[in-house]
Amino acid sequence: AQKVTQAQTEISVVEKEDVTLDCVYETRDTTYYLFWYKQPPSGELVFLIRRNSFDEQNEISGRYSWNFQKSTSSFNFTITASQVVDSAVYFCALSEYGDTGNQFYFGTGTSLTVIP
Amino acid sequence: GAVVSQHPSWVICKSGTSVKIECRSLDFQATTMFWYRQFPKQSLMLMATSNEGSKATYEQGVEKDKFLINHASLTLSTLTVTSAHPEDSSFYICSASLRADNEQFFGPGTRLTVL
Repeated sequence: AQKVTQAQTEISVVEKEDVTLDCVYETRDTTYYLFWYKQPPSGELVFLIRRNSFDEQNEISGRYSWNFQKSTSSFNFTITASQVVDSAVYFCALSEYGDTGNQFYFGTGTSLTVIP
Repeated sequence: GAVVSQHPSWVICKSGTSVKIECRSLDFQATTMFWYRQFPKQSLMLMATSNEGSKATYEQGVEKDKFLINHASLTLSTLTVTSAHPEDSSFYICSASLRADNEQFFGPGTRLTVL
């Protein structure tokens, strides 16, 4: 079973529009971490946010905001007033502590295209 | 945040040759390093987890004899793709963490193309 589901494969928006990327996760652990990464065409993963399971406060960083809801196992990411530079693949990830240590599970990614 | 480097950033090789990719933690000692593979337009898939000084733990479906992992020091892990074939062409990404239960820091990736 997929531990991290990003149902949106591709999204296109016009510049300055807001866009929300969905992420639903599955875990039995009480302690876990959730992440969002941006992967531009160059390939390098760019860390955006890390949130632990005990902190459900929503977070805002500039044009980025995250909505963490344990009740629905979701950790959605919103970009406000999107820009062309936001075009990239965005990955949501779940970190659990397994038998071999820290286990990372990536979602399948959402490819965002911002049209000028 | 902590810095992880990979070398080379890209490599092209002939089928049948072996290729070694290095992953280094530059400003911290990593007891655990992870290797991922990413095919075009797909997600990252964990290949193996290595702890310094011990054998790597491979994920199901990953051939141990084909993807040799060595984690000889707290700042260096290597992935050797032996007898590479075109289907091994992929983007390989490593990550490192201070402890097994600690946050992972990702390297910039190595793009391997096997002709």
